Amino acid sequence: IAGITQAPTSQILAAGRRMTLRCTQDMRHNAMYWYRQDLGLGLRLIHYSNTAGTTGKGEVPDGYSVSRANTDDFPLTLASAVPSQTSVYFCASSDQGRGANVLTFGAGSRLTVL
Amino acid sequence: GQNIDQPTEMTATEGAIVQINCTYQTSGFNGLFWYQQHAGEAPTFLSYNVLDGLEEKGRFSSFLSRSKGYSYLLLKELQMKDSASYLCAVLDSNYQLIWGAGTKLIIKP
Repeated sequence: IAGITQAPTSQILAAGRRMTLRCTQDMRHNAMYWYRQDLGLGLRLIHYSNTAGTTGKGEVPDGYSVSRANTDDFPLTLASAVPSQTSVYFCASSDQGRGANVLTFGAGSRLTVL
Repeated sequence: GQNIDQPTEMTATEGAIVQINCTYQTSGFNGLFWYQQHAGEAPTFLSYNVLDGLEEKGRFSSFLSRSKGYSYLLLKELQMKDSASYLCAVLDSNYQLIWGAGTKLIIKP
């Protein structure tokens, strides 16, 4: 089934631990994004990648890093998790990095940092 | 600063019509999107408007007035499955998507 796969679906993590959220797409979209969604707030962009080998910072990049070694994978790493990073994380992709392109979202990863 | 405003929550009756408003103040405008998000699920694309006017797609329609910084999503013949959050997002002059907090729509029988 074409789309985006995120893992894990849900995770409880101790503060200070390192965590990588995985994201894989099979649509050959060149642009990928990581968002966080918090109650009462709009989706906020963490990092993005317009094409394999390039990444950029979004609105809330601090405490997060990404890599884009190939077209399909776009992992998000929390180097040392803090409670304020408790959120639902969505990976998304689109056909192009610029322009009015429709985003396809993964099912989300719910992260709780204690 | 950039801002997208939507009502937090709305309630409507099955079979009725509901209009969800979105007002925006952004640095430039390159289009407005509406997404639907069921509880615990991913957002899915509903509509895109870049020119003024109404775009109709089945039971759903989306309207845009760029001069007023205003859009609405119109849902007709409401069904229970339409219970969801509806997210408004604007593409600014840098082609960055600015998201509203979403409107939770509750449908009652």
